[in-house]
Amino acid sequence: AQSVTQLGSHVSVSEGALVLLRCNYSSSVPPYLFWYVQYPNQGLQLLLKYTTGATLVKGINGFEAEFKKSETSFHLTKPSAHMSDAAEYFCAVLSSGGSYIPTFGRGTSLIVHP
Amino acid sequence: DTEVTQTPKHLVMGMTNKKSLKCEQHMGHRAMYWYKQKAKKPPELMFVYSYEKLSINESVPSRFSPECPNSSLLNLHLHALQPEDSALYLCASSRGTGLQETQYFGPGTRLLVL
Repeated sequence: AQSVTQLGSHVSVSEGALVLLRCNYSSSVPPYLFWYVQYPNQGLQLLLKYTTGATLVKGINGFEAEFKKSETSFHLTKPSAHMSDAAEYFCAVLSSGGSYIPTFGRGTSLIVHP
Repeated sequence: DTEVTQTPKHLVMGMTNKKSLKCEQHMGHRAMYWYKQKAKKPPELMFVYSYEKLSINESVPSRFSPECPNSSLLNLHLHALQPEDSALYLCASSRGTGLQETQYFGPGTRLLVL
């Protein structure tokens, strides 16, 4: 079984501040982990994914995430928020040996203040 | 071309109407998906087609009828819908159904059932 918990349905930051969106997963086997972003009235766009290898994953738009097995976490960060980062962010998990359909977290809405 | 297109962008229909949603990709992907997404919620998988054959039906009511006429096209036929079916319907595709395959999402069709 696999599951994802995203802490905080809303995260509010000032423009230029650090962005930290939290994701914890549960998986009985090594997971594949994804972050998707959804801008208003649009579909989901893949930001980054972790499969194997390097635990620090760099994605598009300056985002990165670090896979920490000991903490079962895959938090998303960006050093400096931009107004255009305001969107809904979804963490998702796939468990090797299981279904190839990802399980999504409930989403975190990122609000960026000027 | 890494684009999944969906038509129409918006659709309003009555409970007795019949309509269809269309999805198209020209990336040579052999897996295609329909998701339903309610506001501020993660996408919920409805159907998966793999090599033009229906491989997953997540217990979706029969008023939703998917069709995959060829490897580039995916339709969702709608009939006798209920107001609670109002949602954003997302199409996605991936190269295959392996664990490392990335799903590419279309912009969605926003459906309102009156």
